[in-house]
Amino acid sequence: QVQLVESGGGVVQPGRSLRLSCAASVFTFSNFALHWVRQAPGKGLEWVAVISYDGSYTYYADSVKGRFTISRDNSKNTLDLQMNSLRPEDTALYYCARDTGDNGAILDYWGQGTLVTVSS
Amino acid sequence: DIQMTQSPSSLSASVGDRVTITCRASQSISSYLNWFQQKSGKAPKLLIYAASSLQSGVPSRFSGSGFGTDFTLTISSLQPEDFATYYCQQSYYIPLTFGQGTRLEIK
Repeated sequence: QVQLVESGGGVVQPGRSLRLSCAASVFTFSNFALHWVRQAPGKGLEWVAVISYDGSYTYYADSVKGRFTISRDNSKNTLDLQMNSLRPEDTALYYCARDTGDNGAILDYWGQGTLVTVSS
Repeated sequence: DIQMTQSPSSLSASVGDRVTITCRASQSISSYLNWFQQKSGKAPKLLIYAASSLQSGVPSRFSGSGFGTDFTLTISSLQPEDFATYYCQQSYYIPLTFGQGTRLEIK
């Protein structure tokens, strides 16, 4: 069974940085694009960023552009999200998700999420 | 950005009922529409992709239809495990966008 396991969440002060990781297993990691999607407490789903299978392209939501950086290491089967200049509105459960690459972007497997709380 | 609007926002139904949730896109997205189910405290689960294709392992009581701007998710006979929140999501353009969710509750 495909596994995605996020880590790195925690409580951080506004303006500080945090780095999330997603460890993947049981599939050929380097064949798939990957996304980060977040969910603020009690709210809906918000797409954050995507990275292509080889890391050659990345896209971001306007709300995080210039502050967050998505990256991957295909030799280690890991996906990262570097989050700088954090704001209270970045407080959310952050999920990594695999993209099948078909029909645009089909997110077929998700991790369990890691919680980021931005608060002074 | 493409806006996705779901209706209703919440719905009460009974086991055995037939339920339909609708999703409207602010512009045409062809069939680039996916549906997710999310239970409390859990990650979203893909149910339907490309508007009408059933994800492997998902019960056949779930079905999707639509094209362009208007889409529906139908559950033919509600089971106790189906009470959850459902989201549509367009995959036509980046940024990917989700509907606001439909909370399906037990009547």
